[in-house]
Amino acid sequence: DAGVTQSPTHLIKTRGQQVTLRCSPKSGHDTVSWYQQALGQGPQFIFQYYEEEERQRGNFPDRFSGHQFPNYSSELNVNALLLGDSALYLCASSLAVTRVWGETQYFGPGTRLLVL
Amino acid sequence: GDSVTQMEGPVTLSEEAFLTINCTYTATGYPSLFWYVQYPGEGLQLLLKATKADDKGSNKGFEATYRKETTSFHLEKGSVQVSDSAVYFCALSGGTSYGKLTFGQGTILTVHP
Repeated sequence: DAGVTQSPTHLIKTRGQQVTLRCSPKSGHDTVSWYQQALGQGPQFIFQYYEEEERQRGNFPDRFSGHQFPNYSSELNVNALLLGDSALYLCASSLAVTRVWGETQYFGPGTRLLVL
Repeated sequence: GDSVTQMEGPVTLSEEAFLTINCTYTATGYPSLFWYVQYPGEGLQLLLKATKADDKGSNKGFEATYRKETTSFHLEKGSVQVSDSAVYFCALSGGTSYGKLTFGQGTILTVHP
């Protein structure tokens, strides 16, 4: 049973460029959440997708956008990259029906983005 | 809003020592509480969870009890191993927003032989 997968593993971009990160959820999961983890910090919630719609959003500017596909996979897009966007981007998947009693989110290995 | 506070690290222990990492939270309602572990260069792995007051989560010798009266979820292990060296994150979900995990800042644990 494949877990959460993310691509690419590493990425180097320059300021002002745009980037797309991809995530495939754990088999059977229908919800994908994205987190940004700066060096030495805990992950910060970016947004969550369920039924191909953004359901919740954290305190991130609209340069950060996403998409969920019918097969539940997801993309995170970041426009007009800033140096401060350098971080590990984590994708997590879960099952929406379990939300009422404390869903468990399963994390992928992350994509490490460096903005120069 | 919801928040999680972990004891400041790093924590350095000798093998077979007792481990405690403190975690307290602020949330409305009845959140679920989690401990995640992150090994160098990897993503987060769920270590244990508890979904209601007085529940004890346990896994791989680690334990944590959901204490609503003290809003705490401290992580303990009776005898640590070198392989336990990692970063440990306390987190909550629920409270004011379902589905979103709110993390503490993480505690670096180093275990020496």
